Amino acid sequence: DTGVSQDPRHKITKRGQNVTFRCDPISEHNRLYWYRQTLGQGPEFLTYFQNEAQLEKSRLLSDRFSAERPKGSFSTLEIQRTEQGDSAMYLCASSRLAGQETQYFGPGTRLLVL
Amino acid sequence: GIQVEQSPPDLILQEGANSTLRCNFSDSVNNLQWFHQNPWGQLINLFYIPSGTKQNGRLSATTVATERYSLLYISSSQTTDSGVYFCAGYNAGNMLTFGGGTRLMVKP
Repeated sequence: DTGVSQDPRHKITKRGQNVTFRCDPISEHNRLYWYRQTLGQGPEFLTYFQNEAQLEKSRLLSDRFSAERPKGSFSTLEIQRTEQGDSAMYLCASSRLAGQETQYFGPGTRLLVL
Repeated sequence: GIQVEQSPPDLILQEGANSTLRCNFSDSVNNLQWFHQNPWGQLINLFYIPSGTKQNGRLSATTVATERYSLLYISSSQTTDSGVYFCAGYNAGNMLTFGGGTRLMVKP
């Protein structure tokens, strides 16, 4: 059990550029979640997948955001035409499908939009 | 969705002191977790505790589901306990709603 991993850990970009983050969940975890955390706040839910199906999206997820989990394993989160307000920590979590549904979080990707 | 309130928002302790952190929910929850966020931003699982009491070393947690609150106890605090403590839960769907956190500083 190697834990949830995320890549990159840090990203600095200029306003208007596109960025893509990757999340590798704990193996055999069917559910994968994306959250966003801004400075001084608790994480906020963005979207979640059960296997390859995207089952829920928050209103926080504007049209510039898209997430995929093509083979039910790793996931990517893309932000198009980044804005300064997108600067935040992007956290990925995974959990089992049934039983004790503890969500385990990765180390996060810290995004700074200049 | 549910609302989650944590108290106190900030807490300063002397090393060796005990503390109690509280989490109130606006509705009943099926999933309730406590996390410690370290200075690098990693959320570390402390407890999965939708009801009952659990203990892990110097930490313990109690959730009274019927009254919609949970408590996290830290005994004999150490400087390494410093950081932000979050509780989070959900009652429908699978999306955790987090509280605003308790920022703990333990002084040597």
